[in-house]
Amino acid sequence: DVKVTQSSRYLVKRTGEKVFLECVQDMDHENMFWYRQDPGLGLRLIYFSYDVKMKEKGDIPEGYSVSREKKERFSLILESASTNQTSMYLCASSLFQGADEAFFGQGTRLTVV
Amino acid sequence: EDKVVQSPLSLVVHEGDTVTLNCSYEVTNFRSLLWYKQEKKAPTFLFMLTSSGIEKKSGRLSSILDKKELFSILNITATQTGDSAVYLCAVETNYGGSQGNLIFGKGTKLSVKP
Repeated sequence: DVKVTQSSRYLVKRTGEKVFLECVQDMDHENMFWYRQDPGLGLRLIYFSYDVKMKEKGDIPEGYSVSREKKERFSLILESASTNQTSMYLCASSLFQGADEAFFGQGTRLTVV
Repeated sequence: EDKVVQSPLSLVVHEGDTVTLNCSYEVTNFRSLLWYKQEKKAPTFLFMLTSSGIEKKSGRLSSILDKKELFSILNITATQTGDSAVYLCAVETNYGGSQGNLIFGKGTKLSVKP
């Protein structure tokens, strides 16, 4: 079974802090994705990566950056956390290009106070 | 351990058929159940269900939740080739007074043949 692991399930951070969300997958997948899930809005794509050191902006990249130094690890960075970034963050990975057969992590519930 | 199980894992039908996708769950502190259609860029949100027995409809798609038997179904009538996708079910849980986590099923891969 594919395992996508997010480093934290719950985080509380202060406004202005730099926040790192880590995601690791164990199936040698090329593609990794970061989403946020907000009530009534479904999943929105923040960034994705099709290869090591490669990143592409998704639909809502503002206020976020990412890092993919190793194939198995994809990090989401909030440079200066704000309260409107309070959300559920989900990481996913897939073997083939595209998110249509992606496997999801368990999510990180981030609260910015 | 919380889990969400979808069935069948894959399904092949012909255009015009009606399909029913199943999602059963065992979680503590259920909050809501969500259905998504997995697409190239990001899963498309279909429905969020929180109350038992109330059907939600959107065009040819409909869904209902049974909180007593712990399952939900997603129906697609008059299927079209554009309905071909993986359909994901996810359950959101509560944690204390805050919203909890999302637990995804493995998905049902639907293929609609012309």
